[in-house]
Amino acid sequence: EIVMTQSPATLSVSPGERASLSCRASESVSTNVAWYQQMPGQAPRLLIYGASTRPTGIPARFSGSGSGTEFTLTISSLQSEDFAVYYCQQYNNWPPYTFGQGTKLEIK
Amino acid sequence: QVQLQESGPGLVKPSQTLSLTCTVSGGSISSGSYYWSWIRQPPGEGLEWIGYIYYTGSTMYNPSLKSRVTISVDTSENQFSLRLSSVTAADTAVYYCAREVRDGYNGGYFDSWGQGALVTVSS
Repeated sequence: EIVMTQSPATLSVSPGERASLSCRASESVSTNVAWYQQMPGQAPRLLIYGASTRPTGIPARFSGSGSGTEFTLTISSLQSEDFAVYYCQQYNNWPPYTFGQGTKLEIK
Repeated sequence: QVQLQESGPGLVKPSQTLSLTCTVSGGSISSGSYYWSWIRQPPGEGLEWIGYIYYTGSTMYNPSLKSRVTISVDTSENQFSLRLSSVTAADTAVYYCAREVRDGYNGGYFDSWGQGALVTVSS
């Protein structure tokens, strides 16, 4: 099973600033990584797939990068609605699909 | 736009079987373009993929749960269902159904989710 490790567990950033969230895979997953945003009490929302592709409707301030074992989700200028928990997921080797443990992005 | 909605008992006794159904609207399960998954999230914890089904009935399960999980599909009702047997308190979680999009010849990611159903295992 591929283990996805996210860091940091909590990230404190001021609105308008840039946030970078990391995700590391225990072995190479190519670019088969997705990122999700989860607001309290809500289902996750897909932000990025294929490590760097945004689905229609996702704001351009969200970007993803990386390949192999190291991945980054960057939010270029934080808005109030961006403070949430973020998860990465690998879909290169399955079963099972695996998620990281999450990074909580909080207001500084 | 596709919508998914989970339904089923919110309370299950230990050792019994958890059963949930996901009703899909705004799109057909039988279109063949997607796989249909169950994912769970214990309170305050992360996400765990349980398994998926294709409209043909083909399934794949998380090895950690495989001995207790059954996912089935009813194309006439545009629904798919989860059964998890011999539950314990550790199975208490919000259970999500989700639509999986395949990325080429790889696995898939989840582009549409239900709102989630909290299932508590307690006597």
